[in-house]
Amino acid sequence: AQSVTQPDIHITVSEGASLELRCNYSYGATPYLFWYVQSPGQGLQLLLKYFSGDTLVQGIKGFEAEFKRSQSSFNLRKPSVHWSDAAEYFCAVGRPYGGATNKLIFGTGTLLAVQP
Amino acid sequence: KAGVTQTPRYLIKTRGQQVTLSCSPISGHRSVSWYQQTPGQGLQFLFEYFSETQRNKGNFPGRFSGRQFSNSRSEMNVSTLELGDSALYLCASSSNLGQGNTGELFFGEGSRLTVL
Repeated sequence: AQSVTQPDIHITVSEGASLELRCNYSYGATPYLFWYVQSPGQGLQLLLKYFSGDTLVQGIKGFEAEFKRSQSSFNLRKPSVHWSDAAEYFCAVGRPYGGATNKLIFGTGTLLAVQP
Repeated sequence: KAGVTQTPRYLIKTRGQQVTLSCSPISGHRSVSWYQQTPGQGLQFLFEYFSETQRNKGNFPGRFSGRQFSNSRSEMNVSTLELGDSALYLCASSSNLGQGNTGELFFGEGSRLTVL
């Protein structure tokens, strides 16, 4: 079955500290992987995506993620967290490119709190 | 360029009523998807439309329906509302389906439905 697991429901980090949010997936074909961020009362904004090629992808707002096929993981990282990064982060998997659907399977999300 | 617009943003209904939610995609986008977001179930795929045709459907009862118009605007309808239908309903648009599609979904801010 296709699924995405985000093992951390809540994470609290201090401003300026580094951040890593974990994501593991189960998908029959080679997946396409996404990270989205949702601020309170807002929709989802795409941070970055992985289709193929270099397994380290750069996104907006200083985020990056690394695809590790052997571990079925796509962890999100940021070297220095800002207070404005406080939000909920969702990992998602799909196979849209060239396919007939944009359907994504989302993880349950990780709520990030940033301490001053 | 205007983003994805969803109306209404908030609404309150009672059990047994029906509701219609509207979504206007980004200009030029031809694909619209709908997701339901609840604290318990997270983000779940409802349907996907492209060129007025439903291309994919999630595992929801028949009370949930949708359609897409020739201008790519979409509506979803929920009949005979139940308490469990209380959720944030998110619409997402993308430029295309099939070859050349990047799979990036642009989300609206959602319609928050409360069923009493």
